[in-house]
Amino acid sequence: KAGVTQTPRYLIKTRGQQVTLSCSPISGHRSVSWYQQTPGQGLQFLFEYFSETQRNKGNFPGRFSGRQFSNSRSEMNVSTLELGDSALYLCASTSRTGDTGELFFGEGSRLTVL
Amino acid sequence: QKEVEQNSGPLSVPEGAIASLNCTYSDRGSQSFFWYRQYSGKSPELIMFIYSNGDKEDGRFTAQLNKASQYVSLLIRDSQPSDSATYLCAVLGYSTLTFGKGTMLLVSP
Repeated sequence: KAGVTQTPRYLIKTRGQQVTLSCSPISGHRSVSWYQQTPGQGLQFLFEYFSETQRNKGNFPGRFSGRQFSNSRSEMNVSTLELGDSALYLCASTSRTGDTGELFFGEGSRLTVL
Repeated sequence: QKEVEQNSGPLSVPEGAIASLNCTYSDRGSQSFFWYRQYSGKSPELIMFIYSNGDKEDGRFTAQLNKASQYVSLLIRDSQPSDSATYLCAVLGYSTLTFGKGTMLLVSP
């Protein structure tokens, strides 16, 4: 069974640009969550999608957005990039339909903003 | 602001010893508690979860929960060099999973 797949794995952008990250969950998993990981702040919750609907959202500015498609694949977008957006962005999926912490993480997309 | 606190470490133990990792949380209404392991350069992987007060054992790992003290711990018996990683405590509150910043564990041969 394939795991959570994230693309691209690495990317470099400049301030002011935008970026789109993609996540394909484990087959059959309908919930997808996104996290930002930095050395200083650790893992911080961005948002969670279930059946194409955003169920929860973390405390990030509106520059961070996401969506989920009917096949459960998800994308997140960051507009007007800032230096502080440099981080590892992790996607996680779960087969649970309710609130759970039993997540399967992808390898992440490492974003560097110059 | 829901908080999950962990000592950043590193916690250094010799091979074969018991490693004890601790975590406190601020949200008294939290119901579920999770331990993730993250190797350097890798993504987190779930190793244990606990929902009820007391101990839960899985192989060399034991999770302990004390809701009255808002305290969760992970014991690793017979520690191996392959256990060297960062251990993340995560707490599920109202619909949101909050992670601690993790404790780095170093197991020396």
